[in-house]
Order: sequence, then C-alpha cells, then structure tokens
Amino acid sequence: QSVMTQPPSASGTPGQRVTISCSGSGSNIGTNAVTWYQQLPGTAPKLLIYTNNRRPSGVPDRFSGSKSGTSASLAISGLQSEDEADYYCAAWDDILSCPVFGGGTKLTVL
Amino acid sequence: QVQLVESGGGVVQPGGSLRLSCAASGFSFSSYGMHWVRQAPGKGLEWVTFIWYDGRSEHYVDSVKGRFTISRDNSKSTLYLQMNSLRAEDTAVYYCANWWGDNSSGHYEYWGQGILVTVSS
Repeated sequence: QSVMTQPPSASGTPGQRVTISCSGSGSNIGTNAVTWYQQLPGTAPKLLIYTNNRRPSGVPDRFSGSKSGTSASLAISGLQSEDEADYYCAAWDDILSCPVFGGGTKLTVL
Repeated sequence: QVQLVESGGGVVQPGGSLRLSCAASGFSFSSYGMHWVRQAPGKGLEWVTFIWYDGRSEHYVDSVKGRFTISRDNSKSTLYLQMNSLRAEDTAVYYCANWWGDNSSGHYEYWGQGILVTVSS
C-alpha cells in the first residue's frame, strides 16, 4: 500500500493530452515539493518534473506538473508513442522522515 | 557525464548476505546524500535507506532495520549496502540515486541502472 495514490493505468491516442493524478496528505504533498519520474520499460527511473513544475534540461515542454493542496498532477500534451512508460510521483514525508512514492501509473499509447 | 554503476547483486538463499556497491562518477559524490531505492518484480518503487553526504547519519525503512547497513567511502566515490538475513520479500532491483536539495524540496537527480537481488532457495 503506497503512501500516495495514483491511478494504476492511463491511456491516450497520439496527439492527445493526458493527465495523471497523485493524491497525498499534509505531511508529504501538502508541505513538500512533488517530483515526477518516468520509467521506460526495462530501464531505471528518470527525473521528469521536480519542485512541482520544473523540467530538467532535455525534458520536452509537452510534460508539465502542477500541485494544489495535497494533490498533484502530471500532464502530457501531444502524446507520443515513446511516452509509453510508468510514471511515479514522489515527495518527502515529514512524519516518516523519508521520500515516499505513489504506486505508479502505467501509461499506454493506443 | 554522470554515472552511477551498481554491482554485487545475484541469487542468495534466505538468511544469506550480499553487499551491493554503487560507483559514482561525473559529479561531486561527497556533496550529496545518497539513497537506495528498490523495486520488486512488477511492483512500484520503494525507498530503502539513505546516508548523509558526510556519512554521519543513516535512515532505514522499518522492514530492513537491523538487517541492512548503508555506508559510503567518499575517497572512492562509492556507496555500499550490506544486506544480511535476507528474506524472499527483499527480492528486487536495487537502485542507487543521489538526492539533490534539502528534504522539503529535494529529489533524485540521477539513478543507477539497477542491480537484481534474488532471494530464493
């Protein structure tokens, strides 16, 4: 049972916009920054969005993040086949004193 | 170019031990807190342990306390995870990653490629 809740799956067709939600609590998302990681099949996770809505260099601006209260969202516009991956939200938890992850969302490009 | 390269994984019997290593290059290893994160087959990511940049403090998930020990050698830019009394539920791919920033605003900046640990008789 993950500390933060994500939908297990999401899907869209090429060119569509999809969003993935992440629900936490006051001790994690409500207080601290949210990060999103992308894990392509068979590979290690990769930093996608940090500090709620900032993109590392090299990440296309099709990816965007937002946070409100104890929830966060990842939006992917202009969906492409190479976006098919697992996406994880994460944040520091002040009660557990460690980073916590959402359960992950498997994105399928139809 | 930043690299984190894990080694030391493999198959071990329940109750056995393994020592994972993570060799870092391309960044100032001694300036960063370092973490181990694991992923059981077909499952999500789970934080396991972290160590401060200077090695003075360590934290563990409850399920590994007393069995796993994290350490680092900044002179060799290498992170370690000593795993004792291994259980079937420790079977996972183990990733090392550096933590950028403070607790409230930080994140994993770089990840290793992962190393598989299988606990089975």
